Amino acid sequence: ETGVTQSPTHLIKTRGQQVTLRCSSQSGHNTVSWYQQALGQGPQFIFQYYREEENGRGNFPPRFSGLQFPNYSSELNVNALELDDSALYLCASSRSGRETQYFGPGTRLLVL
Amino acid sequence: GENVEQHPSTLSVQEGDSAVIKCTYSDSASNYFPWYKQELGKGPQLIIDIRSNVGEKKDQRIAVTLNKTAKHFSLHITETQPEDSAVYFCAVYPTSYDKVIFGPGTSLSVIP
Repeated sequence: ETGVTQSPTHLIKTRGQQVTLRCSSQSGHNTVSWYQQALGQGPQFIFQYYREEENGRGNFPPRFSGLQFPNYSSELNVNALELDDSALYLCASSRSGRETQYFGPGTRLLVL
Repeated sequence: GENVEQHPSTLSVQEGDSAVIKCTYSDSASNYFPWYKQELGKGPQLIIDIRSNVGEKKDQRIAVTLNKTAKHFSLHITETQPEDSAVYFCAVYPTSYDKVIFGPGTSLSVIP
């Protein structure tokens, strides 16, 4: 059984640019959630996708958007990057919205 | 909305001693409480979880207890080993699932 994978592992962008992060869910999982983890803090929920539809959203502005594909992999897109967007972005998959989540290793984003 | 507090923020124990981390939450309707371990450079890994209809759960050296009345749950690690050194996060699943809330984390150091 393949675990959750994320790409890229690290990324450096400049303020104002756009970024796309990718996540492949664990086999058998149809739900993907995205989190932002600033240094020294707990993960903050961005949004969740279930069967290609957004299924809940945290307190993040609309420039954070996402997609889920028929194979349940997912993308997180962030437009107009700000310095405060520098963080570890985590993807977690689960069998359904209320089941246990399993995390990927994360993508470390640095905005200069 | 739900508010999760976690204490202590840092914990240092001698190898072989026990470690206890406590989380409190505010929404009495919350019903699922996982604990995650995060090692440097990695995503959070689920180590144990408990649902609101259970008071205690144990898995080898790790146990979780839940007090629904007082709205707190605790992680207990016995016979600590150096490889237990990591940051531990509690999480709370409110009934409105779209906002899973993580605690701020506890940095555990096990001194050989």
